[in-house]
Amino acid sequence: AQRVTQPEKLLSVFKGAPVELKCNYSYSGSPELFWYVQYSRQRLQLLLRHISRESIKGFTADLNKGETSFHLKKPFAQEEDSAMYYCALSSGNTGKLIFGQGTTLQVKP
Amino acid sequence: EPEVTQTPSHQVTQMGQEVILRCVPISNHLYFYWYRQILGQKVEFLVSFYNNEISEKSEIFDDQFSVERPDGSNFTLKIRSTKLEDSAMYFCASREQNINTGELFFGEGSRLTVL
Repeated sequence: AQRVTQPEKLLSVFKGAPVELKCNYSYSGSPELFWYVQYSRQRLQLLLRHISRESIKGFTADLNKGETSFHLKKPFAQEEDSAMYYCALSSGNTGKLIFGQGTTLQVKP
Repeated sequence: EPEVTQTPSHQVTQMGQEVILRCVPISNHLYFYWYRQILGQKVEFLVSFYNNEISEKSEIFDDQFSVERPDGSNFTLKIRSTKLEDSAMYFCASREQNINTGELFFGEGSRLTVL
């Protein structure tokens, strides 16, 4: 079964602390994985995708096929990073996304 | 920057009533999707639409749901006879032609409250 798991509902850190939002997936085949972010009162938007191997707003994520993980990391959290973060897996020919449950990141001053 | 737009932003309806949620995808996009998010739960896939037909639907998307693109711009989700459990945020999304780019562009959502 295709599934995305984000084990933490809430992650609370202080400004300047490192952040790691966990994501594990289950998929038979070559996965395409994404991180989407939803800031307060805004729409879901793409943060980054594993295929491009880029760093956006200081965030990076590495696909680890052995551990079936795609954790999102940032070395120094900023208050403006506070948001809901969703890990997602692209599935099938229609390109639909399967989302994890989401993790709320709260960065305290 | 082009955006996916959804109307209404919030609709309150009585159980058993029909509801139509409207979406205007980004103009050069060819793949369209509806998702829903019940309060406190994950974002769930409902249906994908391409070339004027449903390309995939989830188990949630039963006979009370339908989608159409009547005029080449709007993409609508109709719930024929709403139930209390249909109360959720409904998100429309679209994707450009190249399915390998992977990015879905989402609307801001329509909140449906069924009383």
